[in-house]
Amino acid sequence: GAGVSQSPSNKVTEKGKDVELRCDPISGHTALYWYRQRLGQGLEFLIYFQGNSAPDKSGLPSDRFSAERTGESVSTLTIQRTQQEDSAVYLCAKAAGGSTDTQYFGPGTRLTVL
Amino acid sequence: GENVEQHPSTLSVQEGDSAVIKCTYSDSASNYFPWYKQELGKRPQLIIDIRSNVGEKKDQRIAVTLNKTAKHFSLHITETQPEDSAVYFCAASPDDKIIFGKGTRLHILP
Repeated sequence: GAGVSQSPSNKVTEKGKDVELRCDPISGHTALYWYRQRLGQGLEFLIYFQGNSAPDKSGLPSDRFSAERTGESVSTLTIQRTQQEDSAVYLCAKAAGGSTDTQYFGPGTRLTVL
Repeated sequence: GENVEQHPSTLSVQEGDSAVIKCTYSDSASNYFPWYKQELGKRPQLIIDIRSNVGEKKDQRIAVTLNKTAKHFSLHITETQPEDSAVYFCAASPDDKIIFGKGTRLHILP
């Protein structure tokens, strides 16, 4: 995956608990994207960062979702008060510049909310 | 905002035959159209892309065409092989984000 790691790889949590998902682009690319992929579904855009700035948060499903990034490094996606419909694979991707550069995806975090 | 429609959702072709996947987009400002392949249990990977100043692009057995007037673009895979079995996603980028289609599950039949 050209140097993108995500942790944890799997997370099982109880409904109502908060979770924090981590993405490390390793080699430090400018742009970082978060997507949600429900079972058998497509990639749903959540948010992207240019550096540590998030110009577009329109994809976040609700105010329970938030994300932050430190410089051109690690990003965390936080889901508060998790619901069963939050169960999905959360993928992050990095790109050198922006959306017209190749996106290199991480392996994803499989979140299961019981 | 941009909306990307992808068809078919599932496609089965005999090994050696061609496969075609079609996508439409809504935002005329979109200028970049990548295609990603996702094998079972793995992460999506870029296989080919096309920009709005180009009508067609080819890379070995894979080709993409773009019709800006009609706002549609297609992926063509010729001489399909078993390793082509995967889910394929088209996408369109009008600004700094990419909007993906819902994917096409391609089965290559022996």
